Amino acid sequence: KNEVEQSPQNLTAQEGEFITINCSYSVGISALHWLQQHPGGGIVSLFMLSSGKKKHGRLIATINIQEKHSSLHITASHPRDSAVYICALTTGNQFYFGTGTSLTVIP
Amino acid sequence: GAGVSQSPSNKVTEKGKDVELRCDPISGHTALYWYRQSLGQGLEFLIYFQGNSAPDKSGLPSDRFSAERTGGSVSTLTIQRTQQEDSAVYLCASSWVSGPETQYFGPGTRLLVL
Repeated sequence: KNEVEQSPQNLTAQEGEFITINCSYSVGISALHWLQQHPGGGIVSLFMLSSGKKKHGRLIATINIQEKHSSLHITASHPRDSAVYICALTTGNQFYFGTGTSLTVIP
Repeated sequence: GAGVSQSPSNKVTEKGKDVELRCDPISGHTALYWYRQSLGQGLEFLIYFQGNSAPDKSGLPSDRFSAERTGGSVSTLTIQRTQQEDSAVYLCASSWVSGPETQYFGPGTRLLVL
């Protein structure tokens, strides 16, 4: 049983499209992270959420604690957004990772 | 400012040899994390330090793996008697404190065990 489920696993979009990546989890959390991993392997932390909503540029992350669900939205997607997006949870001393969503944005 | 650095960036070793991987966290960050990402797999948590202490070592895959942190700064992850299944990218991250804090990732060490 996976504590973290991401969907979709793969996503292809046309440049300019609005994109949503979903993360559902089954454990109590202290925080949820959205990470971005580019093809070269480097990982960047996009958001850390414990409630509500955060926005940074064209990226928006939301979390619903009661429903144990988070979404990452990308508005006006661009080819440089192509990457793997990973949902990660921290709960006490435990860390759980989703398997990632591979996003390809086509010009 | 300087980010998290890791060395070496790449390491090729023979099965059975010991390897040491190094992580230099961002200055002032008290929490340090080690993760592993095997080819085509997701991220796997290994261990974290708050200061020099590692509260939970249960994420380490086997007793061949150990990690230490001295002076609240640099950390080394040691793998003894390496096996082919140890081949992976080993990632280090740091944050101001442990818990719900943004983590900053290093570039990783790509380990290949032949």
